Amino acid sequence: EDQVTQSPEALRLQEGESSSLNCSYTVSGLRGLFWYRQDPGKGPEFLFTLYSAGEEKEKERLKATLTKKESFLHITAPKPEDSATYLCAVQAPGGATNKLIFGTGTLLAVQP
Amino acid sequence: GAGVSQTPSNKVTEKGKYVELRCDPISGHTALYWYRQSLGQGPEFLIYFQGTGAADDSGLPNDRFFAVRPEGSVSTLKIQRTERGDSAVYLCASSPGPNNEQFFGPGTRLTVL
Repeated sequence: EDQVTQSPEALRLQEGESSSLNCSYTVSGLRGLFWYRQDPGKGPEFLFTLYSAGEEKEKERLKATLTKKESFLHITAPKPEDSATYLCAVQAPGGATNKLIFGTGTLLAVQP
Repeated sequence: GAGVSQTPSNKVTEKGKYVELRCDPISGHTALYWYRQSLGQGPEFLIYFQGTGAADDSGLPNDRFFAVRPEGSVSTLKIQRTERGDSAVYLCASSPGPNNEQFFGPGTRLTVL
């Protein structure tokens, strides 16, 4: 069964304290791995798509990396405005479906 | 440009009532998805439309749930005989094609009393 597990569930950082969020996945054949940011009361906001092991993408203080079993979202020198829930999702192959399978997210709090 | 919009933003109903939730996708996006998100959980897939047809409805929990997209743009999620367990945020997403990233709307928070 396709599955996504994110850790830690919650993370508290001081402003400027770099860290990484983990997304482990089990899927029969990965078509894409997606990172989203979700603020309270809002829908998920797209950040990155990764397609193959070794691929990396960067956006401001965020960098996403991918291996055959997991993805990391590295946050460098975070600021309070980076506080949000970060969601990881995989898109599995197979037939007509293009659904995303999400993890439960990591709640990040960055304190000034 | 305009993103995905959903109406209403909040809906409170009584157990047993019928509700309709509306999604306006990004203009030109052929793929449309409905997800449901409970507190502390990630979004859970319900149904996927490519154009007017439901290409995958495997996530609909039971036959009380139904969705349509008659003209390949706006979609409506319909829930009959609502139950308290249906309370959640219902998210809509659209993408330019089936293999592109999905862009989400703000969601409709459904509360069944």
